[in-house]
Amino acid sequence: QVQLQQRGAGLLKPSETLSLTCGVSGGSFGGHYWSWIRQAPGKGLEWIGEINHTGSSNYNPSLKGRVTMSVDSSKRQFSLTLTSVTAADTAVYYCARENNRSFFDFWGQGTLVTVSS
Amino acid sequence: DIVMTQTPLSLSVTPGQPASISCKSSRSLLHSDGKTYIYWYLQKTGQSPQLLIYEVSNRFSGVPDRFSGSGSGTDFSLSLSRVEAEDVGVYYCMQSIQLPYTFGQGTKLEI
Repeated sequence: QVQLQQRGAGLLKPSETLSLTCGVSGGSFGGHYWSWIRQAPGKGLEWIGEINHTGSSNYNPSLKGRVTMSVDSSKRQFSLTLTSVTAADTAVYYCARENNRSFFDFWGQGTLVTVSS
Repeated sequence: DIVMTQTPLSLSVTPGQPASISCKSSRSLLHSDGKTYIYWYLQKTGQSPQLLIYEVSNRFSGVPDRFSGSGSGTDFSLSLSRVEAEDVGVYYCMQSIQLPYTFGQGTKLEI
């Protein structure tokens, strides 16, 4: 069974950098793209970006160059970095596995990241 | 970006009754490979979203057959034949024909 386990800081101050990591157990790591998705309180889902095992990545232009993803295939984990955070970045952040680059079939547990001074 | 518009945004249903949610996309989700890249998720309170339907009408593993999907091109719907208490939550449609992947606003189903 595929499991995604997220870790990272949950409280940040404005202008700081958000860093989250998602570890993958079970299933194939190299055969998929891996995504980050976020959900602001009481709001809908926003796709942040994706990365594969070679480091090939795509990001949502709405994040205007503040996002970077990285991967460590040997550890079966991938990471999200979001710079210059503001209150608008307060959200639950999810990592997820893409199936055939079409849909998300396995999700992490979610990490609430709060940006507050 | 492709805009996904869901209606209604909230739905109150009596157990045992049917329910339907509409999702319209701002461009066709039919790809030249013959697949239509529309998906439906359910997010229960405090949980991660879970996939219900993929490529218009295919139920994901373990999804009860009271859930069904239909549609083509830009107009799609998710139907529940008989709503049960465990079906409460927020339903989202999503497109993956084009990056960035985008979701509908969500439809909150209440009993």
